[in-house]
Amino acid sequence: DGGITQSPKYLFRKEGQNVTLSCEQNLNHDAMYWYRQDPGQGLRLIYYSQIVNDFQKGDIAEGYSVSREKKESFPLTVTSAQKNPTAFYLCASSGVMGVGENEQFFGPGTRLTVL
Amino acid sequence: GEDVEQSLFLSVREGDSSVINCTYTDSSSTYLYWYKQEPGAGLQLLTYIFSNMDMKQDQRLTVLLNKKDKHLSLRIADTQTGDSAIYFCAESLNTGFQKLVFGTGTRLLVSP
Repeated sequence: DGGITQSPKYLFRKEGQNVTLSCEQNLNHDAMYWYRQDPGQGLRLIYYSQIVNDFQKGDIAEGYSVSREKKESFPLTVTSAQKNPTAFYLCASSGVMGVGENEQFFGPGTRLTVL
Repeated sequence: GEDVEQSLFLSVREGDSSVINCTYTDSSSTYLYWYKQEPGAGLQLLTYIFSNMDMKQDQRLTVLLNKKDKHLSLRIADTQTGDSAIYFCAESLNTGFQKLVFGTGTRLLVSP
């Protein structure tokens, strides 16, 4: 079955540590995205990538980093510089830009808690 | 500016119709989406509407778009307890890549 997987589902981190969230898709999508969701708020875009080896900052990129070495994978690192990292993180992917409605497909999310 | 607004909460009885409203700000939006999120899960696309349409119906779901007022609504007919979830509207901005701006989400509670 095609889809997006995120791991782990729950992640606990001590203050001052970096942590990497995994996102993998087998939909053959070119574009991938990372969002952050906080209670009572909509999704906010952290980073996005339209093609392998290229990525751009979204609205709240400070304290985060990404890489896109493979089409299928778009890992997100939450660094110690992120002041309030506790949140629910969602990864998404979509097809080629300008074709059809470009639905974004979402993974199941990773809940990160900083202790 | 980019701002999508939704009411935070809606409560209905099973069998009734639910109407979830959304206002958006960017008149150049090409597509408008409705996503559903169940507890602890990712978002699932329910339906979308292209900006040159006024209405779209898909089984129990009806989307109405008023471009003049920048108002979008989602009507769920014969609402079931399984429809209890958070519903997000999102607008697709014409920025050269598919940037979605999401509303804050409306929590729908369906009681038996």
